[in-house]
Amino acid sequence: DAGVIQSPRHEVTEMGQEVTLRCKPISGHNSLFWYRQTMMRGLELLIYFNNNVPIDDSGMPEDRFSAKMPNASFSTLKIQPSEPRDSAVYFCASSLGGQPPRAQHFGDGTRLSIL
Amino acid sequence: AQSVTQPDIHITVSEGASLELRCNYSYGATPYLFWYVQSPGQGLQLLLKYFSGDTLVQGIKGFEAEFKRSQSSFNLRKPSVHWSDAAEYFCAVGYTGGGNKLTFGTGTQLKVEL
Repeated sequence: DAGVIQSPRHEVTEMGQEVTLRCKPISGHNSLFWYRQTMMRGLELLIYFNNNVPIDDSGMPEDRFSAKMPNASFSTLKIQPSEPRDSAVYFCASSLGGQPPRAQHFGDGTRLSIL
Repeated sequence: AQSVTQPDIHITVSEGASLELRCNYSYGATPYLFWYVQSPGQGLQLLLKYFSGDTLVQGIKGFEAEFKRSQSSFNLRKPSVHWSDAAEYFCAVGYTGGGNKLTFGTGTQLKVEL
């Protein structure tokens, strides 16, 4: 079975440009999570969705960041405008919903570099 | 609020030696506990999980972990480490009523000496 698929794997762009990261969760999973990983701050949860609805976006750093999940098989994380401090690895993860909390399955990440 | 502590930032072991990585959680209710491994350039991979029942759980790649409620711990162990086990290891905890979120520890970087 296909795991969580993220694209692109690498993105290099200049400051001020719009960046869009994409994620396809595992089929049948109805929870989706976006994380950011840096050396300084470790793994941070940015936002998560249940059944395509954003549940907790308290980790989104500022208004430059936005996330959408238009359907059960696709989500985007957008940064506009991008800044050098946004450089990080961004992970998408998915899980079955419900209680108790289930194991999350991670994609291979998008390594983002903002020049 | 729930929290997870991994006291060791770096650990070095010799190939063939035993390994124990520490994880302590802080929450009053029943925790749901996970260990993940991250190799360079890859995402986190689930090693094992504890929900209830037997406090010693077996995972992939020869890893096991033991839940000790009295110590609020969920330490990861492996009897004999292989060079390919060099990676970063993350402990995570979730709880009923917390949505589907997991709280991750800061990770332990494992180096294996040949």
